[in-house]
Amino acid sequence: QVQLQESGPGLVKPSETLSLSCNVSGDSIYSFYWSWIRQSPGKGLEWLAYIHYSGSTKYNPSLKSRVTVSLDTSKNQFSLKLKSVTAADTAVYYCARVSFPFGGVGADFDHWGQGTLVTVSS
Amino acid sequence: QSVLTQPPSVSGAPGQRVTISCTGSSSNVGAGHHVHWYQQLPGTAPKLVIYGNGYRPLGVPDRFSGSKSGTSVSLVISGLQAEDEADYYCQSYDNSLSGHVFGTGTKVTVL
Repeated sequence: QVQLQESGPGLVKPSETLSLSCNVSGDSIYSFYWSWIRQSPGKGLEWLAYIHYSGSTKYNPSLKSRVTVSLDTSKNQFSLKLKSVTAADTAVYYCARVSFPFGGVGADFDHWGQGTLVTVSS
Repeated sequence: QSVLTQPPSVSGAPGQRVTISCTGSSSNVGAGHHVHWYQQLPGTAPKLVIYGNGYRPLGVPDRFSGSKSGTSVSLVISGLQAEDEADYYCQSYDNSLSGHVFGTGTKVTVL
């Protein structure tokens, strides 16, 4: 059974860069696309980006200028960097496995990490 | 602001049937993109309960079902149980936004 675990600082200062990693166990990182999703306190879910080991990436256009995702096959991990953060970036950040059960662009997120709260504050 | 609209809350007694709607537009649901549903229990990560409009992942009880009609999709919980009390989100792909989008979320309360 695949398991995902987020890690990284829980507090980031405004204007700095938020950096998180997601460790994947029980599955090969070569096998799927991998994604980041966040949830602001008391609010809904927002998809951020996903990546494939081939180098293929897709970003949420509303955040594309600030977000970078990368993948480390040697550690079976993938990472998120969000630069120039503000208080509006305070959220629980989830990593998730992406599934394309019917091909095309439509994907679901079939396995999730437990999430990690990142607070942006000075 | 989400492009997939859900009712803020629905409720039902144990054993009853509840329906959660998810209304989109011609750039997402109406464009033929599949809709997926997630259950989020308090303090936990979302869990996929329906994918591809109406398919259940392994391990999801068969009281959960999904359907699609035009630009609207629905999640039905038949035989509501106390452990179904959670937030539920729909999700799809939007051509105009060129990305994956989630619904506004619905809180299900078991009376």
